[in-house]
Amino acid sequence: RKEVEQDPGPFNVPEGATVAFNCTYSNSASQSFFWYRQDCRKEPKLLMSVYSSGNEDGRFTAQLNRASQYISLLIRDSKLSDSATYLCVTHSGSARQLTFGSGTQLTVLP
Amino acid sequence: DAGITQSPRYKITETGRQVTLMCHQTWSHSYMFWYRQDLGHGLRLIYYSAAADITDKGEVPDGYVVSRSKTENFPLTLESATRSQTSVYFCASSSPGQYNTEAFFGQGTRLTVV
Repeated sequence: RKEVEQDPGPFNVPEGATVAFNCTYSNSASQSFFWYRQDCRKEPKLLMSVYSSGNEDGRFTAQLNRASQYISLLIRDSKLSDSATYLCVTHSGSARQLTFGSGTQLTVLP
Repeated sequence: DAGITQSPRYKITETGRQVTLMCHQTWSHSYMFWYRQDLGHGLRLIYYSAAADITDKGEVPDGYVVSRSKTENFPLTLESATRSQTSVYFCASSSPGQYNTEAFFGQGTRLTVV
């Protein structure tokens, strides 16, 4: 079983739609959580960190449920430019290692 | 320019040859990492380094060697390339910080072993 599991998609949604991605992790020692975004054939880049209390950055909302070891990302009012692969990432603090899920592919359609 | 750079960006090599992928960062980040990305597997950690002269294995280290004599450089060597090592390789760096430490990635090296 992978340490970080994501629904691979693809998710194809119309512009303006709301879309949610889910992720589960198995390492209960994980200390930090992130969503990274990766455009086609490019490097991953940090989208946002995920806090226990939930956090919002514009149209993006991230939630963490430590008891269920579950992370989510909600994108509201989808834009064409949101088309990318979204990577769920956990951080093991002792070794500063990031563990990546396989990613969820999103395509926003005009 | 500040940042993290990888070279070469593209490489085709033959089975059995030794190949070195270079990674250079200008932030003086303590931590550096090498990942490979394959369809269906996502990003998998090959090796990482907490500081100069300190390296450790990740999830998939077999067939790879790393060194870190200087903080800014973290080369990855494939000692005898195999077709299964055809992949996209990403180098990353991050600074020490207990939580929510962002990792910055290079643009990647696309390696094909024929």
